[in-house]
Amino acid sequence: GQQLNQSPQSMFIQEGEDVSMNCTSSSIFNTWLWYKQDPGEGPVLLIALYKAGELTSNGRLTAQFGITRKDSFLNISASIPSDVGIYFCAGQLGTGNQFYFGTGTSLTVIP
Amino acid sequence: DGGITQSPKYLFRKEGQNVTLSCEQNLNHDAMYWYRQDPGQGLRLIYYSQIVNDFQKGDIAEGYSVSREKKESFPLTVTSAQKNPTAFYLCASSYTGGAGANVLTFGAGSRLTVL
Repeated sequence: GQQLNQSPQSMFIQEGEDVSMNCTSSSIFNTWLWYKQDPGEGPVLLIALYKAGELTSNGRLTAQFGITRKDSFLNISASIPSDVGIYFCAGQLGTGNQFYFGTGTSLTVIP
Repeated sequence: DGGITQSPKYLFRKEGQNVTLSCEQNLNHDAMYWYRQDPGQGLRLIYYSQIVNDFQKGDIAEGYSVSREKKESFPLTVTSAQKNPTAFYLCASSYTGGAGANVLTFGAGSRLTVL
């Protein structure tokens, strides 16, 4: 299957700091998704991106669909303790095709 | 409320036993998926189905089987042939056309432990 390289693997930050993580692929994707997963639960969709160059916000979260269509970025501003969890990127080659997932970024926020 | 229900949440199995994980959705989604999640790894696709009575193997289908007799249901059987079945299993669904086809909705997961 497709390989999505997600980095960093883990982050430990102070409350109030901004966070950046990214996902890269060797393939061109038509859709990029970002999910958050709490321990023992299913992933929850944060942001969906459908066009190259698209920049979309959801509260303190901002994600971008890379111009090359081979990467995507997620930023979290002014982190709070409830941001703790694992963040996954996912890409889809085309509508109706399967989704491929990154290995996740584990975020710890220190109060 | 619409959503995806997975059961059981926790399941223990002895080696050599088959177990079946349930997944039911009331979102009227056409496609359903099963993923396996291991620590430190991304989600890996086991099987997916885009229409009733049809399904395709994903990247790690060996040792698993599925059925899709109803649109709402996509049960996964972990057979004794699966060499390392201890994992967290996630069911998901999506539309197959339009904007909703590009988004997966997940259930809460089932954790299987082999004793």
